[in-house]
Amino acid sequence: KQEVTQIPAALSVPEGENLVLNCSFTDSAIYNLQWFRQDPGKGLTSLLLIQSSQREQTSGRLNASLDKSSGRSTLYIAASQPGDSATYLCAVTGGGNKLTFGTGTQLKVEL
Amino acid sequence: NAGVTQTPKFQVLKTGQSMTLQCAQDMNHEYMSWYRQDPGMGLRLIHYSVGAGITDQGEVPNGYNVSRSTTEDFPLRLLSAAPSQTSVYFCASNAGGTIAGYTFGSGTRLTVV
Repeated sequence: KQEVTQIPAALSVPEGENLVLNCSFTDSAIYNLQWFRQDPGKGLTSLLLIQSSQREQTSGRLNASLDKSSGRSTLYIAASQPGDSATYLCAVTGGGNKLTFGTGTQLKVEL
Repeated sequence: NAGVTQTPKFQVLKTGQSMTLQCAQDMNHEYMSWYRQDPGMGLRLIHYSVGAGITDQGEVPNGYNVSRSTTEDFPLRLLSAAPSQTSVYFCASNAGGTIAGYTFGSGTRLTVV
């Protein structure tokens, strides 16, 4: 059974800091990995998708990496802003095209 | 493009009542799924479908039924609601393969009293 772990569970940083969120998964037989953002009381917004054959993807200030063999992914956020405050979820698509989520990292960027 | 549409957004049920959460997508996606999100538990898969007429159980299927008569619709039925089913429910769809990500609906917040 695929298990996805995200560390840390919560993170508080001052505005402008660069930060890294971590995700690990136990079964490397994945189709892809997605990073989502969720604001309180809201739905999930897809940030980045990395295919299993790729090493990284970038979108604006976000960069996600994937090391499939070691079962790890990182989400790098550059020059953090208060508007980045949200919960970040990592999810892998595996057998049967099923999506398995981590429990998320709650990020707070303070002024 | 509407994407994935869920209705209702909010619902309060009494224990023992039944209801159907609606989910529709207009992207011609083969794969559709239902998740529930609970504090500290993350998102857990309830049921999923790999195409019209094909459904299967996920991690937490008890108390829920699904059917998939069309590609577009994937309703989730609660036959006899229980307080343990108080949660936020998300529907998602996906085209399949390595390059396609999942698209989520905006969720249904359900309270069972």
